[in-house]
Amino acid sequence: SQQGEEDPQALSIQEGENATMNCSYKTSINNLQWYRQNSGRGLVHLILIRSNEREKHSGRLRVTLDTSKKSSSLLITASRAADTASYFCATDLSYNTDKLIFGTGTRLQVFP
Amino acid sequence: DTGVSQDPRHKITKRGQNVTFRCDPISEHNRLYWYRQTLGQGPEFLTYFQNEAQLEKSRLLSDRFSAERPKGSFSTLEIQRTEQGDSAMYLCASSPSLGQNIQYFGAGTRLSVL
Repeated sequence: SQQGEEDPQALSIQEGENATMNCSYKTSINNLQWYRQNSGRGLVHLILIRSNEREKHSGRLRVTLDTSKKSSSLLITASRAADTASYFCATDLSYNTDKLIFGTGTRLQVFP
Repeated sequence: DTGVSQDPRHKITKRGQNVTFRCDPISEHNRLYWYRQTLGQGPEFLTYFQNEAQLEKSRLLSDRFSAERPKGSFSTLEIQRTEQGDSAMYLCASSPSLGQNIQYFGAGTRLSVL
């Protein structure tokens, strides 16, 4: 079963607006990652936040992590039409496994 | 191209046939993963290899599924006696053995079972 639930399932915004996606997970983690997937393609890694970090930035991306609530959020600022894609959170669990457990995803549509 | 490559990109087969997919990881990556993704869902873990050793298999990987990585380089995923429920995108990813487990994905093989 999937570890993460993402909210909202779908989001439509205009270019220039900010987009916020939320992810909740169930068990202890080593780190949490966000990936992007364009329609019908593979996933591309965006950003990683470790369990002892609370916030991280990369370009127009800002990720927060609240381990007490088992939740994370991804903020994309000043969105562009090219940001249209599905976004997934993925957890790297704290016990001895290297698999990633993905959330259900948020489908973002950015209108020009 | 030094990324993860998967072949074929698309496969259409009839129920009951066997299919085999291939994944070539990034050359210096020791770890290789297979995931399955159905429409509107996130990828679900199937199995992974550290070099040629298969270290973990999901309960999703029924006895009709087998994966190999014979020389620790490319990997194959075979599905025997395909069922309509096997229709999905099969994604391969690789990562280096050291580091934070950032995974690099191929474009996937889309399987349609008629």
